[in-house]
Amino acid sequence: AQRVTQPEKLLSVFKGAPVELKCNYSYSGSPELFWYVQYSRQRLQLLLRHISRESIKGFTADLNKGETSFHLKKPFAQEEDSAMYYCALVEGGYQKVTFGTGTKLQVIP
Amino acid sequence: GAGVSQSPSNKVTEKGKDVELRCDPISGHTALYWYRQRLGQGLEFLIYFQGNSAPDKSGLPSDRFSAERTGESVSTLTIQRTQQEDSAVYLCASSLLLLSGELFFGEGSRLTVL
Repeated sequence: AQRVTQPEKLLSVFKGAPVELKCNYSYSGSPELFWYVQYSRQRLQLLLRHISRESIKGFTADLNKGETSFHLKKPFAQEEDSAMYYCALVEGGYQKVTFGTGTKLQVIP
Repeated sequence: GAGVSQSPSNKVTEKGKDVELRCDPISGHTALYWYRQRLGQGLEFLIYFQGNSAPDKSGLPSDRFSAERTGESVSTLTIQRTQQEDSAVYLCASSLLLLSGELFFGEGSRLTVL
């Protein structure tokens, strides 16, 4: 069963425009959700986690349990935000991390 | 080493040959994952090791794929009788149980099957 869904394979926005990368999850327990980012020619790395309620590089993500969503947002896109973004869910008990299929964000100058 | 190390970084092989990919996790990390990333595609889960528990092999695409891990150290992913569709970047990641969800990734092993 698909645990993490990222409906958009590619998202193109103009520089300065708002960005929202969608993530929906399916999990009966209390979810732990994360966003990972992979810039060109770099390692996949953690961007932010929902429990920290932090803003990293201007990105925020709010866990909405009612809508089972964890969308990643940024008010003003920058060219350096162009990358592949993955939403991830930690499944309790076994602590396995499941990733979505990823969304490629392309910021147009 | 400071991070997850994978070798080889690049491997070109002929169809039908066996290949071994190695992952050195961060010392002390109990969890280790293998993922596959095909060109232009997302992360595809392959296998998950957690301490001494039986590994979760549910993502292995066929019986040509296998992986071993010695204790909480090195892991080897083996692909037998490689096929062209096996061409991809194979990523390894490790994490501490208490920091589950925060995975540290290697740079990957790029496999090309001719």
